Amino acid sequence: GEQVEQRPPHLSVREGDSAFITCTYTDPNSYYFFWYKQEPGASLQLLMKVFSSTEINEGQGFTVLLNKKDKRLSLNLTAAHPGDSAAYFCAVSEDSGTYQRFGTGTKLQVVP
Amino acid sequence: EAGVTQSPRYAVLQEGQAVSFWCDPISGHDTLYWYQQPRDQGPQLLVYFRDEAVIDNSQLPSDRFSAVRPKGTNSTLKIQSAKQGDTATYLCASSFTGGDYEQYFGPGTRLTVL
Repeated sequence: GEQVEQRPPHLSVREGDSAFITCTYTDPNSYYFFWYKQEPGASLQLLMKVFSSTEINEGQGFTVLLNKKDKRLSLNLTAAHPGDSAAYFCAVSEDSGTYQRFGTGTKLQVVP
Repeated sequence: EAGVTQSPRYAVLQEGQAVSFWCDPISGHDTLYWYQQPRDQGPQLLVYFRDEAVIDNSQLPSDRFSAVRPKGTNSTLKIQSAKQGDTATYLCASSFTGGDYEQYFGPGTRLTVL
């Protein structure tokens, strides 16, 4: 079946450094892409959603890159701070009314 | 606007016991999803509904799991005869077809099967 692979599973960076997480997906019909942050014991917090037609999206303190040719979705946290320590998940879906297929997750630790 | 609510927040069972989870989606949302998230893994779809109809339940272990959404609003997910492998957080989400293509997640129910 279709899969979403996410790397790395664990990532430790120093405060102020960048943290880079990548997902590769197999479903050629994927059209909507999402990044979520999940703190311990909490639910999923949406960081950003992107359409397939958009390649670069900037949020507050992070950038999302979409390469549809290579079926790759990336999240770059710039100048990470300890409050960014959490699990991060990518997700893809075919359209707005279908379920999301999630990546395996990245546990990020930002060390002061 | 109230978000997605779930209850209970926590459940602890012995193997073989039954448990039900309840979800109240955002008002007006026609699509409701149940995901299972084992510890340190990503959420995986169990079943989803549009109104009261099941759209996809192919990942739902049908011998022990069941889910209903009889009036197209609230939903119940039930596990008969729980196993240790069912230990996970069960997340409910809702969305509006043709809306902002975003799913809104509830706080989850954390299940431990001893």
